[in-house]
Amino acid sequence: SQQGEEDPQALSIQEGENATMNCSYKTSINNLQWYRQNSGRGLVHLILIRSNEREKHSGRLRVTLDTSKKSSSLLITASRAADTASYFCATEDNAGNMLTFGGGTRLMVKP
Amino acid sequence: DAGVIQSPRHEVTEMGQEVTLRCKPISGHDYLFWYRQTMMRGLELLIYFNNNVPIDDSGMPEDRFSAKMPNASFSTLKIQPSEPRDSAVYFCASSLAVSNTEAFFGQGTRLTVV
Repeated sequence: SQQGEEDPQALSIQEGENATMNCSYKTSINNLQWYRQNSGRGLVHLILIRSNEREKHSGRLRVTLDTSKKSSSLLITASRAADTASYFCATEDNAGNMLTFGGGTRLMVKP
Repeated sequence: DAGVIQSPRHEVTEMGQEVTLRCKPISGHDYLFWYRQTMMRGLELLIYFNNNVPIDDSGMPEDRFSAKMPNASFSTLKIQPSEPRDSAVYFCASSLAVSNTEAFFGQGTRLTVV
């Protein structure tokens, strides 16, 4: 079963705009990770945020984590056409279970 | 390192045939994971290994599925006999540790069972 659920399922924006994707999960976690998947390719790790962290940055990416709401958001600033991909959140719970992935958000950035 | 290497990239087989998917993890990674991705069910963890030993195979859908890791640099996922509902993209991933670390994914094997 999927632990994380992304919202929205699909997002279409213009190049230069910001893209925000949300992830909700159900159980207590050790960490939450975001991955990107280009069409026909494997998943690529973007960022890991631990349960005791609230915000993390990596380049144009900003991830927040609210453990009280069991939710996370991924913000991509100044989007580019090359950011077009599916984005997945994955949670590692503190019951020893491995990464569980959500259904993903399909992002399209139009040039 | 070339990353996680999977073969074949694409496999088309007839129902009832045996299918073997292969994976070479990143050297030095102690953990290896097999995932299946479908539109309906998303990404599902099938099984994972630690130091070549299967730790959790609760995600393996049926007895038709089996996985082995004879050494640190090679793993197989076998489906025998294959069925059309096994059609999916199968990913192998490896990581240095089991916790608080990123997983590195291969390019996947797209399996079509007709």
